[in-house]
Amino acid sequence: QKEVEQDPGPLSVPEGAIVSLNCTYSNSAFQYFMWYRQYSRKGPELLMYTYSSGNKEDGRFTAQVDKSSKYISLFIRDSQPSDSATYLCALDNNDMRFGAGTRLTVKP
Amino acid sequence: DTEVTQTPKHLVMGMTNKKSLKCEQHMGHRAMYWYKQKAKKPPELMFVYSYEKLSINESVPSRFSPECPNSSLLNLHLHALQPEDSALYLCASSQDRTGNQPQHFGDGTRLSIL
Repeated sequence: QKEVEQDPGPLSVPEGAIVSLNCTYSNSAFQYFMWYRQYSRKGPELLMYTYSSGNKEDGRFTAQVDKSSKYISLFIRDSQPSDSATYLCALDNNDMRFGAGTRLTVKP
Repeated sequence: DTEVTQTPKHLVMGMTNKKSLKCEQHMGHRAMYWYKQKAKKPPELMFVYSYEKLSINESVPSRFSPECPNSSLLNLHLHALQPEDSALYLCASSQDRTGNQPQHFGDGTRLSIL
């Protein structure tokens, strides 16, 4: 079993849709949870960072962490074509682990 | 533009060449990282420097040699690379090595080995 599981997609949605991206993990030692967005030919860009269970909102993005279920999510509201990218979850406890990344396409 | 700057953006080299990748950050971060990323895969950790000292080497072949001349700079020296080493090489930095400081990435050097 991988430490971090993330469906690689691809995921295609129409513009304006709500997007839900998810990761599960097996190691309860992970305490810090991040979502990175990576455009083609660019480095990963930190989108969201949280360390507690619950929700964290930033504009159209909401990160959700459920430590009891070892499950994290990223929701994108009112998705835009500019959101088309690969989204990587990353979990850290002095040793960061990435999910496989989900390729998202938002169609106009 | 990111706050972690990597040069060059692209590099093509033969298997007998020696070249270096450079990474610079001016955020006062004391931890710096090298990652390798193949197409459609997540980044794989290669090396970690903490306070200019190598703290993690993820069993990387010796043809990759990291160097941290000071707290703002990180180099990756390349020698006698193989075609399978072609990839995007990413540099990242964080405030320190504790998990509560997220890593910030540069845009990478796209390396092709002929």
